[in-house]
Amino acid sequence: DAGVIQSPRHEVTEMGQEVTLRCKPISGHDYLFWYRQTMMRGLELLIYFNNNVPIDDSGMPEDRFSAKMPNASFSTLKIQPSEPRDSAVYFCASSLGASHSPLHFGNGTRLTVT
Amino acid sequence: TQLLEQSPQFLSIQEGENLTVYCNSSSVFSSLQWYRQEPGEGPVLLVTVVTGGEVKKLKRLTFQFGDARKDSSLHITAAQPGDTGLYLCAGATDSNYQLIWGAGTKLIIKP
Repeated sequence: DAGVIQSPRHEVTEMGQEVTLRCKPISGHDYLFWYRQTMMRGLELLIYFNNNVPIDDSGMPEDRFSAKMPNASFSTLKIQPSEPRDSAVYFCASSLGASHSPLHFGNGTRLTVT
Repeated sequence: TQLLEQSPQFLSIQEGENLTVYCNSSSVFSSLQWYRQEPGEGPVLLVTVVTGGEVKKLKRLTFQFGDARKDSSLHITAAQPGDTGLYLCAGATDSNYQLIWGAGTKLIIKP
């Protein structure tokens, strides 16, 4: 298995632009998570899905952030409009089953908003 | 609010030395996971501890879950440069799927 695949690896954009991050989870995994990592705040859970349904989006910082999972093999995280404070590494992770199951992370998207 | 305090935040030691990283909380966890993250990559699971007092070994790494399941430690024996990375602990509860993450320990092993 190729693992969790994220694209792009790096994204540099100007403030106000729309940004779309993409994720392909491991086949068969029924949970998908979007995390944000910064030096100041560490790993923060933004949203997670179970069987393509959003379960908890309380970590989404603002209405500028939205996430979708149209099918079991694809998810997107969109920021519109982007702001410099959104600069971070965004990780997608997937897991099989309940809370004790290990998370499998992608290699992240490093977002820089200028 | 559940918190998981991880210490130290940063550790730089010479190859061959021993070290211990701690994760502490006032909350009880049903399990605790340890991850290692290398630059430019996502965290990778090292181990999950479930039972209070449990000890797990992974080569030179020894993981322990506290008897009360509120704390955990990671001990590395004879550290090597390949152990360099960010070590993260994450606690799980039965009432909430969301993992509670420590802030991480950045470990540098100098040859």
